Amino acid sequence: DGGITQSPKYLFRKEGQNVTLSCEQNLNHDAMYWYRQDPGQGLRLIYYSQIVNDFQKGDIAEGYSVSREKKESFPLTVTSAQKNPTAFYLCASSTLDGTLNTEAFFGQGTRLTVV
Amino acid sequence: ELKVEQNPLFLSMQEGKNYTIYCNYSTTSDRLYWYRQDPGKSLESLFVLLSNGAVKQEGRLMASLDTKARLSTLHITAAVHDLSATYFCAVKSPYSGNQFYFGTGTSLTVIP
Repeated sequence: DGGITQSPKYLFRKEGQNVTLSCEQNLNHDAMYWYRQDPGQGLRLIYYSQIVNDFQKGDIAEGYSVSREKKESFPLTVTSAQKNPTAFYLCASSTLDGTLNTEAFFGQGTRLTVV
Repeated sequence: ELKVEQNPLFLSMQEGKNYTIYCNYSTTSDRLYWYRQDPGKSLESLFVLLSNGAVKQEGRLMASLDTKARLSTLHITAAVHDLSATYFCAVKSPYSGNQFYFGTGTSLTVIP
């Protein structure tokens, strides 16, 4: 089945620790995105990538880093510089403009908690 | 920056009633998406609207797009409890890169 997979589903981070959230897609999508969602809030864009080895900052990139070494993979690292990382993280992918299937498809999310 | 506003933010309605959620956006776009999110879950795609005047229906939900007014609506007909969720609209504009801009969401509670 084609889809987008995030892991782990739950993640606990100690203060001062870096953690990496995984996102893999087998939809052959060019674009991938990371969003953060706080309780009762909307989605805020952290980073996005439209092509391998290239990515752009979103609205809240500080304290986060990403890489795009393969088309299928877009991992997100939450660094110790992110002072309030407890949130629900959503990864998404989409085709680029020019095709009909331009909607974003979402993974099941990773819930990160600082302990 | 493209702004997307939804209203209302919270909606409590009785089963069997009709209501409409509104999504306004600030920049020219002909690509509008509606998503549903259940508590603690990810987002599920409901509708993709790709042209002015587009109308899509699925069950008790109907979405429409007016690109001239920069407005999309999500109409709920004869609500049932299973429709309780948070609904998001999102816009993608050729003038704002290839990003999706999401509204703040509308939390819908259908009361028996």
